[in-house]
Amino acid sequence: DAGVIQSPRHEVTEMGQEVTLRCKPISGHNSLFWYRQTMMRGLELLIYFNNNVPIDDSGMPEDRFSAKMPNASFSTLKIQPSEPRDSAVYFCASSRTSGDPDTQYFGPGTRLTVL
Amino acid sequence: AQKVTQAQTEISVVEKEDVTLDCVYETRDTTYYLFWYKQPPSGELVFLIRRNSFDEQNEISGRYSWNFQKSTSSFNFTITASQVVDSAVYFCALGHSSSNTGKLIFGQGTTLQVKP
Repeated sequence: DAGVIQSPRHEVTEMGQEVTLRCKPISGHNSLFWYRQTMMRGLELLIYFNNNVPIDDSGMPEDRFSAKMPNASFSTLKIQPSEPRDSAVYFCASSRTSGDPDTQYFGPGTRLTVL
Repeated sequence: AQKVTQAQTEISVVEKEDVTLDCVYETRDTTYYLFWYKQPPSGELVFLIRRNSFDEQNEISGRYSWNFQKSTSSFNFTITASQVVDSAVYFCALGHSSSNTGKLIFGQGTTLQVKP
């Protein structure tokens, strides 16, 4: 069974460029989460979707960040324009949620470096 | 307030020592779930355990064991006879049934270094 798939694994870009991170959740999972991890702030929840609908985006840093989930098997996190302070590891996780919080399974992460 | 506190930022032990990682949580819900994840140097987050609030039995899995005490709102994790491969960041997390979304609240993590 394939786990959560994220692409790209590494991204280096220049300030001002648009960055798109992609995630394919585990088949059958109906909740999807985007996290950001930095040394300073630890693991932060940015946004989560339930049945493809964004439930809480209060963790999204600012309007430069946006996330979509057009269908049950694909989600994107976009940063436009990117800034050096966006450099971090971005994780996508999915779970099967039916009332009780089930285990979140994490993807390998995308390491983003903004120069 | 819902919160997870891992007071130990870093722990360093010598191989074969036992080590306990502390996790204290705050919640007003009566039904909730607790988790532990491991993040080795390679960076991925690996699920270790999920427990619900009605099951206070301690759990053992090989060298790993978990002590859940509702009276002190703690869910501590012990590694027996630690090995170098146990070196990682360990995260404790809390989830609520009332949220109906699967959202988890993570602690700040404890970095464990096991020296040979």
